[in-house]
Amino acid sequence: KAGVTQTPRYLIKTRGQQVTLSCSPISGHRSVSWYQQTPGQGLQFLFEYFSETQRNKGNFPGRFSGRQFSNSRSEMNVSTLELGDSALYLCASSSDPNEQFFGPGTRLTVL
Amino acid sequence: EDQVTQSPEALRLQEGESSSLNCSYTVSGLRGLFWYRQDPGKGPEFLFTLYSAGEEKEKERLKATLTKKESFLHITAPKPEDSATYLCAVTLNYGQNFVFGPGTRLSVLP
Repeated sequence: KAGVTQTPRYLIKTRGQQVTLSCSPISGHRSVSWYQQTPGQGLQFLFEYFSETQRNKGNFPGRFSGRQFSNSRSEMNVSTLELGDSALYLCASSSDPNEQFFGPGTRLTVL
Repeated sequence: EDQVTQSPEALRLQEGESSSLNCSYTVSGLRGLFWYRQDPGKGPEFLFTLYSAGEEKEKERLKATLTKKESFLHITAPKPEDSATYLCAVTLNYGQNFVFGPGTRLSVLP
């Protein structure tokens, strides 16, 4: 079974731009969660989607948004990028609320 | 506020030198506690899930235990390939998201 895939793996953007990251979950998994990981704050939960609906949301500003498609693939978007948005963005998929499998992440650098 | 802390922040061991990592949690309504391993530049890799106090799980040189307030990850006779950041996370009885601790960065020297 293929694992969670994320594209692109690396991105460089400038302040004020917007970015869209993609995540393809493990086949059969309907839940996709997004996390931001930085050296200072660690892994922080962004939001979770289940069957195309946002089921849970972390404490991030409205510039961070996401969506899920009918095939469970998910995208997250960050608008008006700030320097502090530089991070590793991780996607995790699950079929059971008590387990998550992570993708390799997208490394976003904002200049 | 739900909180997960881990200690030590970093740990250096000689190959074969056993030790333990700690994960302490202050949450209202624990559903499960998870241990992950993360290598630099990669996503976390699932290790164990523990659900109730007294529970233990083992995998190769790793053993995870759970009490009512904390969990320990015991590493027996570690090897250099065990070097990684070890993350602890909890799920709660409400909501679906995981709350992660800051991690322990383990270095095992040959």
